[in-house]
Amino acid sequence: EVQLVESGGGLVKPGGSLRLSCAASGFTFSSYSMNWVRQAPGKGLEWVSSISSSSSYIYYADSVKGRFTISRDNAKNSLYLQMNSLRAEDTAVYYCARSAGASHFDYWGQGTLVTVSS
Amino acid sequence: DIQMTQSPSTLSASVGDRVTITCRASQSISSWLAWYQQKPGKAPKLLIYKASSLESGVPSRFSGSGSGTEFTLTISSLQPDDFATYYCQQYNSYFTWTFGQGTKVEIK
Repeated sequence: EVQLVESGGGLVKPGGSLRLSCAASGFTFSSYSMNWVRQAPGKGLEWVSSISSSSSYIYYADSVKGRFTISRDNAKNSLYLQMNSLRAEDTAVYYCARSAGASHFDYWGQGTLVTVSS
Repeated sequence: DIQMTQSPSTLSASVGDRVTITCRASQSISSWLAWYQQKPGKAPKLLIYKASSLESGVPSRFSGSGSGTEFTLTISSLQPDDFATYYCQQYNSYFTWTFGQGTKVEIK
């Protein structure tokens, strides 16, 4: 069974940093692209970042470019999102999701809440 | 960037109704469109990919159609479990993935 479990969310002050993790199991992690999608409270879904299976290709939404860094460790079946210079508008539930390349997202984790507030 | 516009934003319907949600792309995305269902407090769930392909395990009352810039998600006979918010997503534009703003299906 495919499982994606996010962790690392919490309360952080504006300008602060946070590192999210996503632990994957139930599939060959190194064969899939991985993605981060966020959802602000009461709002819709927003794609944040994607990374290819071997980390060769990395993409970011304009809203986080230069502040967030996506990475993965295929040996540990883990995906990461380093978030720096956090702003109030980054407050959201962050989901990790699997995709077969530049494609739809077929499995999602349960999400982790990031709150940016003083 | 490609923009995705869903209509309506909210839909009130009864159990057994046929429901149609529309998603329009600001430019052609071929058939690179997915539909997701999200219930409160839960992660989105993939329903349809490549505009009309039903994800494994998804009931056959869900169907998708369209290509280019106009797409529809149809629920042939609305069930109690189907009251949720639905999102379309384009994945034609390399390096960016865009979601529609969502359509909430409510009980009439």
